Amino acid sequence: GDSVTQMEGPVTLSEEAFLTINCTYTATGYPSLFWYVQYPGEGLQLLLKATKADDKGSNKGFEATYRKETTSFHLEKGSVQVSDSAVYFCALSDQGTDKLIFGTGTRLQVFP
Amino acid sequence: EPEVTQTPSHQVTQMGQEVILRCVPISNHLYFYWYRQILGQKVEFLVSFYNNEISEKSEIFDDQFSVERPDGSNFTLKIRSTKLEDSAMYFCASSGGQPSPSTDTQYFGPGTRLTVL
Repeated sequence: GDSVTQMEGPVTLSEEAFLTINCTYTATGYPSLFWYVQYPGEGLQLLLKATKADDKGSNKGFEATYRKETTSFHLEKGSVQVSDSAVYFCALSDQGTDKLIFGTGTRLQVFP
Repeated sequence: EPEVTQTPSHQVTQMGQEVILRCVPISNHLYFYWYRQILGQKVEFLVSFYNNEISEKSEIFDDQFSVERPDGSNFTLKIRSTKLEDSAMYFCASSGGQPSPSTDTQYFGPGTRLTVL
């Protein structure tokens, strides 16, 4: 079945460091791919998405490119801030279904 | 900005009791969902609901669970007889389904933490 694998956390960075959180997927069709973020004490918020191969999603300085050849959707940000500290979830929604399948989440901690 | 709301934020119940978790989706959305997250584990899909009926459900969503949209604004999840393993954070989500349900953004509520004693 469909699945999402993302890197284990926590990821600990200093402010202004470069961030990569890896995400790979397995899907039977042509899925849409999402990154959601969960700040402490809050629900899940969409960060960005891409619905077809080679699409790049971007928001708030974060980017991820839908790579069909490597079945990946890695999240990147050039310069993280303390306020980016949160849990990041990679997710997919396959064709013909609207359920989201999530990865395990990666906790990011950014220190000043 | 419109948002999904959920009540209560925290529910404590005794094993075997019935609980109803409530959600108010974004008003013009047509697709509704429940997910849950057991502490330390991944977010798991429970059920999707469209046009007043269940469109998809997971293996977790057994006969103990039911969903309802009783009045055109609320969307509820009922657990008929709670078990210890039902303790989790339950998230409601909704989407407009455009251009298709699989590509549209699902907007999540803040969650209800259910604790079964």
